[in-house]
Formats: sequence, structure tokens, C-alpha cells
Amino acid sequence: QVQLVESGGDLVKPGGSLRLSCAASGFIFGDSYMSWIRQAPGRGLEWVSYISTSISYTNYSDSVKGRFTISRDNAKNSLYLQMNGLRADDTAVYYCARGHTILTSWGQGTLVTVSS
Amino acid sequence: EIVLTQSPGTLSLSPGERATLSCRTSQSLSSSSLDWYQQKPGQAPRLLMYGASNRAAGIPDRFSGSGSGTDFTLTISRLEPEDFAVYYCQQYSNSPFTFGQGTKLEIK
Repeated sequence: QVQLVESGGDLVKPGGSLRLSCAASGFIFGDSYMSWIRQAPGRGLEWVSYISTSISYTNYSDSVKGRFTISRDNAKNSLYLQMNGLRADDTAVYYCARGHTILTSWGQGTLVTVSS
Repeated sequence: EIVLTQSPGTLSLSPGERATLSCRTSQSLSSSSLDWYQQKPGQAPRLLMYGASNRAAGIPDRFSGSGSGTDFTLTISRLEPEDFAVYYCQQYSNSPFTFGQGTKLEIK
């Protein structure tokens, strides 16, 4: 079955960087758009970014544009989110999901905490 | 950015009752480009409905979705104990793909 496992979440200081990873299995990863969605503690869902199958197209929310970079390695069935210039309001559980318009499967998330 | 407003914020009902959740968008959506997700405490969201009215794989038929334009509804015909959760709508008509703030369905 489809499995998505995020990793890389940590406590980081404001202005710091972090790279999240998502390991995918159970489907043809290279045929699927992939997305990152986040959820601040006790809050709702916020779409962050998505990437097309061939890496030719990426899209970002205004809140992360210019600071975060989504990428993928289809040979390794892996999705990444490079996060630079982290701010306190980036604190959230970050989920990777299969798809971009219809998010058919989600990982369990990884917690990113930005605090001094 | 398209804003999604869900109502009510909290819905208190008993098992066996019918639940009606609303999602209103600030702009008309093309092609009913709206999904519904269910999230239980401590769990990741799960896709319930896509394209406003299509059930995702494995979703029981007590869940149904309807609507077009700016007004969408998720209906649960007879609530089961496992249905009490938070429900989010999301539009993918225009980028950014925004979510509603959620409706918490709680046991009365």
C-alpha cells in the first residue's frame, strides 16, 4: 500500500535552515505530483508547495516563496523541502502528500519548531 | 487568493444523526475543484471527497458531497462513532490551493 514517511523535523533557531525528506513507497513515485502541507499547533491546514512529476514545475505559497525549495529524486523515491530563513510562524507539523490538486495519501508528518 | 469559510465552526450531534457541513468560497470555483478531508486527533488528514461530489477510495457511502460555484456541502447521512473528527475543505481551482479553517464534529 501507499506509504509516505517524513523525516528531518527538529528544533531550529530563527533564521536557521532545515531539510525535510519524504520517503515514498507502494506506488510509482515518478508518475505522481507531490506536495507539502503544514499545520501549526492547534491550527488548520496550510498548503505549502507542490512539484510536478518531472521537476519542471514547482509552486509555492506566498508565505514561503523565496525561502523554501521543493525538490525530488525519482530514482530514490524521495521528496524534499529545503527550508531557509526559518521564522517562528513556520513552526508546524509538515506533511508530504501524493498529488497536488487531490491529495490522495498523506504521511504522518514531521514537527518543525522554530524558537530561540 | 480564494478564501474558504466553513460553517459551523463546531457541530455537536449524536451517533445516528445527519450532519451537514458547509464550505463557502470567495470566488466561484471552476469544475467543482473542491476536496474534503477528515482529520482525527493525532492523525494525518485523509481524503474523503474530490471534485466536490466524488468519494475517495474506501470511503463509506454515508458520506456525500455536493455543490458548485461558491457553495459546497459535505453530508454524513447517519453518524458513526468514528466520524467525529475535524473536516476541512480545500479548493484547487486557483493557486494558492487554500483550505478552509475546519469544522469540528463532536459528540453531543
